[in-house]
Amino acid sequence: DVQLVESGGDLVQPGGSLRLSCAASGFAFSTYWMSWVRQAPGKGLEFVANIKDDGSVKNYVGSVKGRFTISRDNARNSVSLQMDSLRAEDTAVYYCARDPFFSSFDSWGPGTLVTVSS
Amino acid sequence: DVAMTQSPLSLPVTLGQPASISCRSSQSLVHSDGNTYLNWFQQRPGQSPRRLIYKVSNRDSGVPDRFSGSGSGTDFTLKISRVEAEDVGIYYCMQGSYWPTFGQGTKVEIK
Repeated sequence: DVQLVESGGDLVQPGGSLRLSCAASGFAFSTYWMSWVRQAPGKGLEFVANIKDDGSVKNYVGSVKGRFTISRDNARNSVSLQMDSLRAEDTAVYYCARDPFFSSFDSWGPGTLVTVSS
Repeated sequence: DVAMTQSPLSLPVTLGQPASISCRSSQSLVHSDGNTYLNWFQQRPGQSPRRLIYKVSNRDSGVPDRFSGSGSGTDFTLKISRVEAEDVGIYYCMQGSYWPTFGQGTKVEIK
């Protein structure tokens, strides 16, 4: 079975940094694009970033460009999201999602909560 | 970005009755490859989202056949033929033909 498990969420002060990780299992990780999608408390879903199967292409939503960096380690079946210069509006549950084609997220992790507050 | 607009945003339904959710995009979702990358997700209370439908009308494995998707161009619909208690949650449409964007969500609850 496909499994995605996020970790790394925490309470952090504005301007701080955090690194999220997503451990994948049960599928050929190196053949899939992977994405991060977030959900602010009580709000809807927002695509954050994705990365191509070989790591050669990365895309970011405008509000996180220059602050967040997505990466992957195909040898360890993991994808990460380095979050710098965090703002209150980055507070959300961050989900890791598998993307078989054109952002058709077919598997999601349980999510990890990031809270940005002083 | 392509805007996705769902209606209604709240949908009280009687058990066993049908339900329908509309999703409209600000531009046609037909990709240059001829496919329409419109998905539907279900998010039950306290859970992560789960994909129900991809490419407008393709039901995912394990999704009950009471769920169906239809539409084309800019207008899409998710239908539940007979609502069951386990269908309570928020439903999102999402397009992947361009930069991925989600609808606001429709909350389905039992009357």
